Amino acid sequence: AQKITQTQPGMFVQEKEAVTLDCTYDTSDPSYGLFWYKQPSSGEMIFLIYQGSYDQQNATEGRYSLNFQKARKSANLVISASQLGDSAMYFCAMSSPRANAGKSTFGDGTTLTVKP
Amino acid sequence: DTAVSQTPKYLVTQMGNDKSIKCEQNLGHDTMYWYKQDSKKFLKIMFSYNNKELIINETVPNRFSPKSPDKAHLNLHINSLELGDSAVYFCASSQAGTNTQYFGPGTRLTVL
Repeated sequence: AQKITQTQPGMFVQEKEAVTLDCTYDTSDPSYGLFWYKQPSSGEMIFLIYQGSYDQQNATEGRYSLNFQKARKSANLVISASQLGDSAMYFCAMSSPRANAGKSTFGDGTTLTVKP
Repeated sequence: DTAVSQTPKYLVTQMGNDKSIKCEQNLGHDTMYWYKQDSKKFLKIMFSYNNKELIINETVPNRFSPKSPDKAHLNLHINSLELGDSAVYFCASSQAGTNTQYFGPGTRLTVL
């Protein structure tokens, strides 16, 4: 079975500083994908970044980067130069195409508040 | 252009009623999903369809029935609504092999 753990229910960061949101995962499937989604107060779910289990390099998308440490089974999201608009809930998720037919498992989320 | 759309955005109804939520994606994806997000923001998958075929059916009451008339649509019909069905329901889609899921705006269902 897959499991995603986000241990930080809430995080605060000062505007323009970097912040790391933690995510650890558990799976027995050798092939899997890791994702981060952002959910602002308006409610929509926005895809941020993807990391494949066989990818050698850490994924980056603009100010977002995924710190993938396979041996530790962690996939932390790093947001650089935080902006007020980054205040939202962030979900870490994983999917294993072969084991679970693409089913995604989500963590409980971390609420990030960016202070001016 | 809206990639994944859901209607209605808000749905308020009485216990015992039957209601449907529609979902459409124009991304050309072959897999679509329904998720339920409860009041504590926990997100759980309910169903997944690949090329109109049901591939994931989590432990969901029989009152919930997905229907996929074609690859671009996955509707959710709920019979005999109960108070506990109140939640935000998200539709999502992905292309096989990528598994990056793109979500619709959500439908907030309130059962009175």
